[in-house]
Amino acid sequence: AQKVTQAQTEISVVEKEDVTLDCVYETRDTTYYLFWYKQPPSGELVFLIRRNSFDEQNEISGRYSWNFQKSTSSFNFTITASQVVDSAVYFCALIKDSGGSNYKLTFGKGTLLTVNP
Amino acid sequence: DTGVSQDPRHKITKRGQNVTFRCDPISEHNRLYWYRQTLGQGPEFLTYFQNEAQLEKSRLLSDRFSAERPKGSFSTLEIQRTEQGDSAMYLCASSQQGRGTEAFFGQGTRLTVV
Repeated sequence: AQKVTQAQTEISVVEKEDVTLDCVYETRDTTYYLFWYKQPPSGELVFLIRRNSFDEQNEISGRYSWNFQKSTSSFNFTITASQVVDSAVYFCALIKDSGGSNYKLTFGKGTLLTVNP
Repeated sequence: DTGVSQDPRHKITKRGQNVTFRCDPISEHNRLYWYRQTLGQGPEFLTYFQNEAQLEKSRLLSDRFSAERPKGSFSTLEIQRTEQGDSAMYLCASSQQGRGTEAFFGQGTRLTVV
C-alpha cells in the first residue's frame, strides 16, 4: 500500500523567511504521480502542482519551488519570501498508476504553515 | 465561476437524522470523487464515479452512506441515521479522464452531528 508522510505538523515563520515543507512517500509502483495542495481556512483544497514519477526536474513557479528526488522518495516544497497569505495547511498526495485506481489520491496528514507579519 | 461547488457549506444535524449533500463538478469533467476529512487529518477517499457509474467505494463507506450521480452530472451523498462519528468535512472533487490527473476540489460541506 502507498503512504505519504509529512513529518512537520506545524511550522511558524516570520514574513519574508523561506520555508520548506517536507514530503516522503512510499509506493511499490514504478509509475506514480505526486501532488501538492493548499487548504486555506476557507476549506477548499487548491491544486498547486502535479509531478509524474518519470519527471525528476525541479520546478519553480513564482515564489514556489518543488524538489523531487526519487532516490530518497521525497517531494519537498519550498516557499521563498513567505507572505501572510501563504498561511494554510499544505498537503502532499500520491496517485499510484496500477491496479486500475489511477485516480485515487492518498494524502499525508498535512503541515500547518503560519506566516506571522 | 466554473469550479466545483458544494451545498450546503455547513450542516448541523441531530444524531439519527438523515442528511444529503450535493456536488456540482466542473462541467467538462467526467470523473467525480467524494473524500472525507476529519480534524488534523488529510482527506480520505470515499467513492469514485466515472460519468454516472460508481466504480469504486471505500471500506469507509458503510451501508448508511449512499452516493449517486444521475446522468453523470451533479452528485449527491446521503448519510442515513447519522452518528457522531460522521462529523467531518465532506469534500467533492472532479477531474478529467486520464492517468493521475489532478483533481479539483470544492469548498466542502462541514457536517456536525450533535
